[in-house]
Amino acid sequence: QKEVEQDPGPLSVPEGAIVSLNCTYSNSAFQYFMWYRQYSRKGPELLMYTYSSGNKEDGRFTAQVDKSSKYISLFIRDSQPSDSATYLCAMSGVQGAQKLVFGQGTRLTINP
Amino acid sequence: EAGVAQSPRYKIIEKRQSVAFWCNPISGHATLYWYQQILGQGPKLLIQFQNNGVVDDSQLPKDRFSAERLKGVDSTLKIQPAKLEDSAVYLCASSFSWREVDTQYFGPGTRLTVL
Repeated sequence: QKEVEQDPGPLSVPEGAIVSLNCTYSNSAFQYFMWYRQYSRKGPELLMYTYSSGNKEDGRFTAQVDKSSKYISLFIRDSQPSDSATYLCAMSGVQGAQKLVFGQGTRLTINP
Repeated sequence: EAGVAQSPRYKIIEKRQSVAFWCNPISGHATLYWYQQILGQGPKLLIQFQNNGVVDDSQLPKDRFSAERLKGVDSTLKIQPAKLEDSAVYLCASSFSWREVDTQYFGPGTRLTVL
């Protein structure tokens, strides 16, 4: 069993839709939860960062962490074609040395 | 602020050959990471440096992979000899420190194809 599970998709939605991306994890020691966005032929870039449980909002993006269920989500409101990318969840906290464990990534396409 | 630089961007070699990748982190960043990203998968940490010392290399295949970070700035990752399964994108990232709250900034990666 992988430490972090993420549905690879692909996921295709119309412009303006609400997108929900999810990851589950098995290691209860994870404390830091991130979402990265990766455009084709580019390196990942940090979108959202959450410590422990709770919600965090940044513009059209909302990150949720439910540690009791070992489940994290990223919501994208009013999705735009420019949001088309691969979204990677990542977690750390096991060794306290920022060792990130990534999910497989979900490939998202927003259709105009 | 300049980002993480990597070269070359693409490399094609035959199995059993050697290859080296170079990374220049963001100025002032003490922590440097090398990741391997196989097609369709998330990045996997290979090695983490704090300045010029190795913090974590538990997932580095040490029989064929080596990495160094001389003078605590630039870093090179070498594969010798390469295998078909080494085909992947090799990403370099840097952060101000090793603390969890410090963002990791990624370079564009080097795409390696082993034939």
